[in-house]
This record gives sequence, C-alpha cells and structure tokens, in this order.
Amino acid sequence: DQQVKQNSPSLSVQEGRISILNCDYTNSMFDYFLWYKKYPAEGPTFLISISSIKDKNEDGRFTVFLNKSAKHLSLHIVPSQPGDSAVYFCAAMTGTASKLTFGTGTRLQVTL
Amino acid sequence: EAGVVQSPRYKIIEKKQPVAFWCNPISGHNTLYWYRQNLGQGPELLIRYENEEAVDDSQLPKDRFSAERLKGVDSTLKIQPAELGDSAVYLCASSPRGDIQYFGAGTRLSVL
Repeated sequence: DQQVKQNSPSLSVQEGRISILNCDYTNSMFDYFLWYKKYPAEGPTFLISISSIKDKNEDGRFTVFLNKSAKHLSLHIVPSQPGDSAVYFCAAMTGTASKLTFGTGTRLQVTL
Repeated sequence: EAGVVQSPRYKIIEKKQPVAFWCNPISGHNTLYWYRQNLGQGPELLIRYENEEAVDDSQLPKDRFSAERLKGVDSTLKIQPAELGDSAVYLCASSPRGDIQYFGAGTRLSVL
C-alpha cells in the first residue's frame, strides 16, 4: 500500500519557468511533510518541509503548499534553473523521530 | 560541519556471502536511521536508533540482517548471507530533533 504517491515519474520545464511537483498521501496521521532532492550517486538532500498546521512554507525559490482536506502537497520552484535537474522525493512522517515514508520520486529536467 | 559518512560507497559480492556497511552520523545527532532504496523506489526504513537503543526494527529482516550502534555514535548494518534480492542502495540518516533527517551518500550493493 503506497501511502505517499508521486504520480508523475518525470517533468520537463524550461529554464526560468515554474516547476510544480505534486504529491498525494493517504494516511491522515501524517503531520509533517518534507521534500528531498537527489542527484545521481548521492544521498537525498533536504530541501524544504511543512507542518500540518500550516498550508504554505516558502524558502527562497522553493515553496511547498499543503492541502490537508485533499491530502495533497506540491512543491513550486520559481524560477527553475538547470541545477535544479534532479529527482525529487516527497516524504511524510507521523510524530517526532518516526520513520519517513517516501514517494517514488519525480525526475525534473530543466532545459535551457 | 561534516555530513553523514558512509562506507564503502560500492560493494559487489556473490550471493551467500556476508557484507557490512558502516555509518558515522552528524556529531550530536542522537537519532540514526538505516534505509534501503530499491531501483525506482523511495527509501524504506529498516531500523531506527535513539542513541544505542533500536526503537523501531519492525521492517528489518531479522533472519539475515543485523545492526548495532555501540556507544550511540556510529553504526554498522550487516547482511549474512546476502541474497540476490538484497541488491539496493543502503542509506544512513541522522537527525538532531527527530524531524529533518540528513542522509549520507549511501552504499550501493550488488549481489551476483
């Protein structure tokens, strides 16, 4: 049972445009959500997170939106840069120090 | 500040052989995690430590996998004997407060 789903395996966006990566979850007990970026042959790197008590969190070019009623979150990258090309994982957790449940990832390619 | 350090980066073994992975977490991080990532999937938790205590090992295949975290700092994960299906990337992560997890580069295991 995939509790965190990223239904788009890949996404291609032009440099300077907005990238929108989507994530859906089924477990209503999740209360903290994170996005990780992963380059080839490297481990996942933390990008941005959001608590379930918020609906938006912004950090520079990255904004995460959470819609609890729809059990949906999205990551917006504006403007997209070639260095953003990577695999992006959505992850969720319940409570402090618990395990992360990951989605299957979305490969973002930012073209010139 | 040094990140999570894992070794070796790559390991190729024949089935039925033993193998061990080592992880040194970020200094001061009490929580340590081992994840396994199969190709095209997100990481999945194997075991979580709080200091030297394994507090969640429900997903660890205990017939062949073992782990330890002596003195609550670095940790080793062992597989004996390895099977073909164990081929994956093994990731170690640590966390200071149990929210954001910081990952190492991982060990890519190939079982032939």
